[in-house]
Amino acid sequence: AQSVAQPEDQVNVAEGNPLTVKCTYSVSGNPYLFWYVQYPNRGLQFLLKYITGDNLVKGSYGFEAEFNKSQTSFHLKKPSALVSDSALYFCAVRDLRGDTDKLIFGTGTRLQVFP
Amino acid sequence: DTGVSQNPRHKITKRGQNVTFRCDPISEHNRLYWYRQTLGQGPEFLTYFQNEAQLEKSRLLSDRFSAERPKGSFSTLEIQRTEQGDSAMYLCASSLASRLADISGANVLTFGAGSRLTVL
Repeated sequence: AQSVAQPEDQVNVAEGNPLTVKCTYSVSGNPYLFWYVQYPNRGLQFLLKYITGDNLVKGSYGFEAEFNKSQTSFHLKKPSALVSDSALYFCAVRDLRGDTDKLIFGTGTRLQVFP
Repeated sequence: DTGVSQNPRHKITKRGQNVTFRCDPISEHNRLYWYRQTLGQGPEFLTYFQNEAQLEKSRLLSDRFSAERPKGSFSTLEIQRTEQGDSAMYLCASSLASRLADISGANVLTFGAGSRLTVL
């Protein structure tokens, strides 16, 4: 079965420091991986995706993610965190097997950036 | 186009009552999805439509739940005889899908802000 795991419920980082939010995946076939961010009272917002190609994917708001096939990981990174990055982050894998089209989400990681 | 719109944003109801949520997708999007999100969990897939056809329903979608997309535009999600366990955020998303996008996995889902249901 397709699945993703986010091992950290919360990540705390000081403003200006680099941040990493971890995600590992388990898929059969090609992994289609996504990161979404959720701010309070707002919908999930797309950050970036890995479909194929370069292992380092660049996305919105200065975020990037590194796809690592040997470690089955897709960690989200940012070189310098902002207080405004504080939010809930979800990793997801796209299941397109057969007639289905669904995203399978992890449980989320709350990022807290302190001034 | 202001994105995916969901109404109402909040609904409080008593156990046993029926509730209906509406989703208006991005106008050119042909796929529409419903997800449910409970506190501390990631969104869970409920169902999706390609135009007006409902192509898949999750086992999470009991017989009390019904979703429609009658003209391939907006969609409704109705929950009959609500239970306290139905309390959750109901998220709608849409995408512009194609056979090529499905093969490549590339099309991106755009989510609405959600409809929060509280069953007392």
